[in-house]
Amino acid sequence: DAKTTQPTSMDCAEGRAANLPCNHSTISGNEYVYWYRQIHSQGPQYIIHGLKNNETNEMASLIITEDRKSSTLILPHATLRDTAVYYCIVRVANLNSGYSTLTFGKGTMLLVSP
Amino acid sequence: NAGVTQTPKFRVLKTGQSMTLLCAQDMNHEYMYWYRQDPGMGLRLIHYSVGEGTTAKGEVPDGYNVSRLKKQNFLLGLESAAPSQTSVYFCASSYPQGRNTEAFFGQGTRLTVV
Repeated sequence: DAKTTQPTSMDCAEGRAANLPCNHSTISGNEYVYWYRQIHSQGPQYIIHGLKNNETNEMASLIITEDRKSSTLILPHATLRDTAVYYCIVRVANLNSGYSTLTFGKGTMLLVSP
Repeated sequence: NAGVTQTPKFRVLKTGQSMTLLCAQDMNHEYMYWYRQDPGMGLRLIHYSVGEGTTAKGEVPDGYNVSRLKKQNFLLGLESAAPSQTSVYFCASSYPQGRNTEAFFGQGTRLTVV
Protein backbone atom coordinates (compact mmCIF):
# COMPACT_ATOMS: atom_id res chain seq x y z
CA ASP A 1 0.00 0.00 0.00
CA ALA A 2 1.16 3.52 -0.78
CA LYS A 3 2.14 5.63 2.20
CA THR A 4 -0.03 8.56 3.24
CA THR A 5 0.71 11.76 5.16
CA GLN A 6 -1.91 13.55 7.22
CA PRO A 7 -1.79 16.40 9.73
CA THR A 8 -1.77 15.22 13.32
CA SER A 9 -4.73 17.32 14.37
CA MET A 10 -7.24 19.86 13.12
CA ASP A 11 -9.95 22.03 14.65
CA CYS A 12 -13.31 22.95 13.19
CA ALA A 13 -16.24 25.02 14.41
CA GLU A 14 -19.59 23.29 14.60
CA GLY A 15 -21.65 23.91 11.46
CA ARG A 16 -18.66 24.79 9.34
CA ALA A 17 -17.07 22.61 6.68
CA ALA A 18 -14.18 20.43 7.78
CA ASN A 19 -11.53 19.88 5.12
CA LEU A 20 -9.10 17.09 5.93
CA PRO A 21 -6.07 16.81 3.62
CA CYS A 22 -4.07 13.73 2.74
CA ASN A 23 -0.91 13.40 0.70
CA HIS A 24 -0.24 10.16 -1.18
CA SER A 25 2.45 11.13 -3.65
CA THR A 26 3.53 7.52 -4.33
CA ILE A 27 0.07 6.28 -5.22
CA SER A 28 -0.15 3.87 -8.14
CA GLY A 29 -2.66 3.93 -10.94
CA ASN A 30 -4.76 1.10 -9.57
CA GLU A 31 -4.81 2.19 -5.93
CA TYR A 32 -7.96 3.57 -4.40
CA VAL A 33 -8.13 6.23 -1.69
CA TYR A 34 -10.20 5.19 1.32
CA TRP A 35 -11.27 7.24 4.32
CA TYR A 36 -12.26 5.79 7.67
CA ARG A 37 -12.90 7.44 10.98
CA GLN A 38 -12.68 6.20 14.54
CA ILE A 39 -14.75 7.79 17.23
CA HIS A 40 -13.20 7.35 20.65
CA SER A 41 -13.04 3.71 21.78
CA GLN A 42 -15.12 2.46 18.86
CA GLY A 43 -14.21 0.41 15.81
CA PRO A 44 -13.26 2.29 12.63
CA GLN A 45 -16.14 3.33 10.39
CA TYR A 46 -15.98 3.52 6.61
CA ILE A 47 -16.69 6.97 5.16
CA ILE A 48 -15.95 7.05 1.44
CA HIS A 49 -13.50 5.92 -1.22
CA GLY A 50 -12.51 6.88 -4.76
CA LEU A 51 -10.05 6.27 -7.58
CA LYS A 52 -9.72 9.47 -9.58
CA ASN A 53 -13.14 11.09 -9.78
CA ASN A 54 -14.60 13.14 -6.97
CA GLU A 55 -17.08 11.22 -4.88
CA THR A 56 -19.96 12.21 -2.61
CA ASN A 57 -22.20 10.27 -0.30
CA GLU A 58 -24.46 11.06 2.61
CA MET A 59 -21.51 11.43 4.98
CA ALA A 60 -18.87 13.33 3.05
CA SER A 61 -17.24 14.36 -0.21
CA LEU A 62 -13.87 13.22 -1.50
CA ILE A 63 -11.86 15.47 -3.77
CA ILE A 64 -8.89 13.85 -5.50
CA THR A 65 -6.40 16.02 -7.38
CA GLU A 66 -5.90 15.39 -11.07
CA ASP A 67 -2.43 13.94 -10.51
CA ARG A 68 -3.89 11.81 -7.68
CA LYS A 69 -1.03 12.73 -5.36
CA SER A 70 -3.36 14.22 -2.76
CA SER A 71 -6.98 14.24 -1.69
CA THR A 72 -9.29 16.10 0.66
CA LEU A 73 -12.13 14.73 2.70
CA ILE A 74 -14.89 17.29 3.21
CA LEU A 75 -17.49 17.12 5.95
CA PRO A 76 -19.84 19.86 4.75
CA HIS A 77 -21.47 20.76 8.07
CA ALA A 78 -19.43 19.37 10.92
CA THR A 79 -21.20 18.44 14.14
CA LEU A 80 -19.83 17.62 17.57
CA ARG A 81 -20.38 13.94 16.77
CA ASP A 82 -17.85 14.22 13.95
CA THR A 83 -15.05 14.58 16.48
CA ALA A 84 -12.88 11.56 15.71
CA VAL A 85 -9.60 10.35 14.23
CA TYR A 86 -9.79 10.28 10.45
CA TYR A 87 -7.64 7.83 8.51
CA CYS A 88 -6.66 8.19 4.87
CA ILE A 89 -5.62 4.88 3.31
CA VAL A 90 -4.62 3.88 -0.20
CA ARG A 91 -5.01 0.30 -1.24
CA VAL A 92 -4.78 -1.85 -4.31
CA ALA A 93 -8.17 -3.24 -5.30
CA ASN A 94 -6.92 -5.92 -7.65
CA LEU A 95 -6.66 -9.60 -6.86
CA ASN A 96 -3.90 -10.05 -9.44
CA SER A 97 -1.47 -8.18 -7.21
CA GLY A 98 -2.04 -10.39 -4.22
CA TYR A 99 -4.07 -9.97 -1.09
CA SER A 100 -4.02 -6.31 -0.14
CA THR A 101 -5.22 -5.14 3.23
CA LEU A 102 -5.94 -1.84 4.91
CA THR A 103 -2.83 -0.27 6.43
CA PHE A 104 -3.64 2.40 9.00
CA GLY A 105 -1.38 5.32 9.84
CA LYS A 106 -1.93 7.60 12.83
CA GLY A 107 -4.60 9.68 11.10
CA THR A 108 -5.84 13.19 11.84
CA MET A 109 -7.58 13.98 15.11
CA LEU A 110 -10.46 16.31 14.20
CA LEU A 111 -11.91 18.27 17.07
CA VAL A 112 -15.26 19.94 16.38
CA SER A 113 -16.04 22.67 18.86
CA PRO A 114 -19.30 24.54 19.63
CA ASN B 1 -28.13 -6.70 11.21
CA ALA B 2 -25.49 -7.58 13.76
CA GLY B 3 -22.57 -6.95 11.39
CA VAL B 4 -19.30 -7.87 13.10
CA THR B 5 -19.52 -9.08 16.69
CA GLN B 6 -16.54 -9.57 18.97
CA THR B 7 -16.51 -11.68 22.12
CA PRO B 8 -15.57 -10.85 24.85
CA LYS B 9 -15.61 -7.05 25.08
CA PHE B 10 -13.24 -6.90 28.05
CA ARG B 11 -10.77 -9.35 29.57
CA VAL B 12 -7.97 -9.33 32.11
CA LEU B 13 -5.37 -12.09 31.87
CA LYS B 14 -2.41 -13.04 33.95
CA THR B 15 0.95 -13.42 32.23
CA GLY B 16 1.23 -16.89 30.74
CA GLN B 17 -2.49 -17.56 30.53
CA SER B 18 -4.14 -18.37 27.23
CA MET B 19 -7.37 -17.16 25.69
CA THR B 20 -9.30 -17.01 22.44
CA LEU B 21 -11.03 -13.98 21.00
CA LEU B 22 -14.02 -14.71 18.79
CA CYS B 23 -15.11 -12.68 15.80
CA ALA B 24 -18.39 -13.44 14.04
CA GLN B 25 -19.83 -11.76 10.95
CA ASP B 26 -23.22 -12.24 9.34
CA MET B 27 -22.54 -10.52 6.00
CA ASN B 28 -21.18 -13.57 4.17
CA HIS B 29 -17.81 -11.83 3.73
CA GLU B 30 -14.90 -13.84 2.42
CA TYR B 31 -12.18 -11.75 4.06
CA MET B 32 -11.67 -11.32 7.79
CA TYR B 33 -8.95 -9.49 9.72
CA TRP B 34 -7.57 -9.06 13.21
CA TYR B 35 -5.96 -5.75 14.19
CA ARG B 36 -4.52 -4.43 17.42
CA GLN B 37 -4.44 -0.80 18.50
CA ASP B 38 -2.15 0.59 21.15
CA PRO B 39 -2.59 4.04 22.75
CA GLY B 40 -1.98 6.88 20.31
CA MET B 41 -1.35 4.49 17.44
CA GLY B 42 -3.18 3.44 14.36
CA LEU B 43 -4.37 -0.11 13.85
CA ARG B 44 -1.80 -2.77 13.04
CA LEU B 45 -2.72 -5.96 11.22
CA ILE B 46 -2.05 -9.19 13.11
CA HIS B 47 -3.46 -11.91 10.85
CA TYR B 48 -6.05 -12.12 8.15
CA SER B 49 -8.02 -14.70 6.18
CA VAL B 50 -9.17 -14.63 2.58
CA GLY B 51 -11.54 -17.54 2.94
CA GLU B 52 -12.67 -20.48 5.03
CA GLY B 53 -9.71 -22.64 5.99
CA THR B 54 -7.08 -20.06 5.03
CA THR B 55 -5.02 -17.67 7.15
CA ALA B 56 -2.09 -15.35 6.55
CA LYS B 57 0.30 -13.26 8.64
CA GLY B 58 -0.01 -9.53 8.86
CA GLU B 59 2.35 -6.90 10.21
CA VAL B 60 2.59 -8.10 13.84
CA PRO B 61 1.76 -11.84 13.99
CA ASP B 62 4.19 -13.01 16.69
CA GLY B 63 2.53 -14.43 19.80
CA TYR B 64 -0.82 -14.97 18.09
CA ASN B 65 -2.51 -17.79 16.21
CA VAL B 66 -5.71 -17.75 14.20
CA SER B 67 -8.21 -20.17 12.73
CA ARG B 68 -11.02 -19.83 10.21
CA LEU B 69 -12.89 -23.13 10.37
CA LYS B 70 -16.19 -21.52 9.39
CA LYS B 71 -16.68 -18.67 6.96
CA GLN B 72 -18.50 -16.54 9.49
CA ASN B 73 -16.01 -16.95 12.34
CA PHE B 74 -12.39 -15.87 12.80
CA LEU B 75 -10.67 -16.80 16.04
CA LEU B 76 -7.59 -15.12 17.49
CA GLY B 77 -5.62 -17.09 20.07
CA LEU B 78 -3.01 -16.06 22.59
CA GLU B 79 -1.18 -19.17 23.78
CA SER B 80 0.87 -17.53 26.51
CA ALA B 81 -0.18 -13.95 27.15
CA ALA B 82 2.45 -11.28 27.78
CA PRO B 83 2.04 -7.71 29.10
CA SER B 84 3.10 -6.44 25.64
CA GLN B 85 -0.14 -7.91 24.31
CA THR B 86 -2.19 -5.49 26.37
CA SER B 87 -4.14 -3.69 23.67
CA VAL B 88 -7.50 -3.17 22.04
CA TYR B 89 -8.21 -5.79 19.42
CA PHE B 90 -10.45 -5.14 16.44
CA CYS B 91 -11.87 -7.63 14.02
CA ALA B 92 -13.08 -6.68 10.56
CA SER B 93 -14.60 -8.32 7.51
CA SER B 94 -15.03 -7.44 3.86
CA TYR B 95 -15.66 -8.79 0.40
CA PRO B 96 -12.52 -9.53 -1.62
CA GLN B 97 -10.53 -6.50 -2.73
CA GLY B 98 -11.48 -7.16 -6.32
CA ARG B 99 -14.99 -6.01 -5.45
CA ASN B 100 -13.52 -2.83 -4.00
CA THR B 101 -15.77 -2.35 -1.07
CA GLU B 102 -15.38 -1.26 2.49
CA ALA B 103 -14.41 -3.26 5.56
CA PHE B 104 -16.73 -3.44 8.55
CA PHE B 105 -15.25 -3.40 12.03
CA GLY B 106 -16.37 -4.79 15.35
CA GLN B 107 -16.47 -2.71 18.51
CA GLY B 108 -13.25 -4.08 19.90
CA THR B 109 -11.99 -6.28 22.72
CA ARG B 110 -10.03 -4.57 25.47
CA LEU B 111 -7.42 -6.95 26.79
CA THR B 112 -5.18 -6.30 29.76
CA VAL B 113 -2.36 -8.69 30.62
CA VAL B 114 -0.99 -8.28 34.13
